[in-house]
Amino acid sequence: GAGVSQSPRYKVAKRGQDVALRCDPISGHVSLFWYQQALGQGPEFLTYFQNEAQLDKSGLPSDRFFAERPEGSVSTLKIQRTQQEDSAVYLCASRVQVGDYEQYFGPGTRLTVT
Amino acid sequence: GQNIDQPTEMTATEGAIVQINCTYQTSGFNGLFWYQQHAGEAPTFLSYNVLDGLEEKGRFSSFLSRSKGYSYLLLKELQMKDSASYLCAVRDSAGRAAGNKLTFGGGTRVLVKP
Repeated sequence: GAGVSQSPRYKVAKRGQDVALRCDPISGHVSLFWYQQALGQGPEFLTYFQNEAQLDKSGLPSDRFFAERPEGSVSTLKIQRTQQEDSAVYLCASRVQVGDYEQYFGPGTRLTVT
Repeated sequence: GQNIDQPTEMTATEGAIVQINCTYQTSGFNGLFWYQQHAGEAPTFLSYNVLDGLEEKGRFSSFLSRSKGYSYLLLKELQMKDSASYLCAVRDSAGRAAGNKLTFGGGTRVLVKP
């Protein structure tokens, strides 16, 4: 079946622009995660949803970052007034149930802020 | 918080064995994961250890010692396609994101030479 998909795969934004990154998790997966991965580094946790509820947003670096999952399936990560330090790959992952351990990752969106 | 250390880079020869070490210091622990990530692609799940000992899965094995805060991933009979980054990640057990948040190390880039 289809895996986690993300769009766009690549995004170039000028500093100060707003961007929206989309994640389509595997159908029926309850849990959804967003991670930020800087070049040559491991992913860093941003936020976690259980269905439509955002249970943890402790990793969001500033109030310019906002995530939503209004119907408990597709999620959008929005970054307002982008800055150069926001340049990274943004990974989305989904998981079947809360008690499961395996997270399935999407291919990521590479954001470059110029 | 969590602190996870792994070597930045390792080089090995096709057909050989490589061991990637990971040490962690955590405020909570609910399992350790290894992921493989080829350049520009999504991380893919390799292994999960929550109890001490060795888990073997084909050419890949993973070991965990909770008392030492130590794990390793063993790759046997190396193939060229094993050239990738290998990510060690610890699952949290504290807070609202209990059992949910993954904290990753910086990744170990393995280069397999002919």
